Amino acid sequence: KQEVTQIPAALSVPEGENLVLNCSFTDSAIYNLQWFRQDPGKGLTSLLLIQSSQREQTSGRLNASLDKSSGRSTLYIAASQPGDSATYLCAVFNYGGATNKLIFGTGTLLAVQP
Amino acid sequence: NAGVTQTPKFQVLKTGQSMTLQCAQDMNHEYMSWYRQDPGMGLRLIHYSVGAGITDQGEVPNGYNVSRSTTEDFPLRLLSAAPSQTSVYFCASSPRATEAFFGQGTRLTVV
Repeated sequence: KQEVTQIPAALSVPEGENLVLNCSFTDSAIYNLQWFRQDPGKGLTSLLLIQSSQREQTSGRLNASLDKSSGRSTLYIAASQPGDSATYLCAVFNYGGATNKLIFGTGTLLAVQP
Repeated sequence: NAGVTQTPKFQVLKTGQSMTLQCAQDMNHEYMSWYRQDPGMGLRLIHYSVGAGITDQGEVPNGYNVSRSTTEDFPLRLLSAAPSQTSVYFCASSPRATEAFFGQGTRLTVV
């Protein structure tokens, strides 16, 4: 059974710092991995999608990497800003037929202090 | 292009009542799914659909029914609400097993 873990559960950094959020998964037979952002009381916003054949994806100050063999992904945020404060979730699509089964980690709550 | 639209945004039910959470997408996506989000539990899959007329159970299906009569709509029915179903419910759609798009959620309280 696929399990997704995110460490740390919470992180507080001063504005301007570069930071890394971690996501690990137990079954490397994934189709892709997706990073989301969730603001309090809001829905999930897709940040980056990494296909299983890719090693990384970049969008602005965000860079996500994927190492399937070790079951790890990282989300790198450069020059953090108070507006980056949110919960960050990673989720994997597993192989297993033509199904839509996203399996989520429990998230990292990020606070960027001005 | 509205994306994924969920209604209502908030709902309070009494134990034993039934209701339907609505989900609609205008992106012609094949895949749609329902998740619930609870503190400390993350998001868990309730039911999903890979196309009109095809549905299947997820991780926590008990107490919920779904149907998919059109590509656009995927309603979630609570048959007899229980306090354990107090949660935030999210609907998602995707073209296939690729990038998923989520609605803004329905916050349900069962008293």
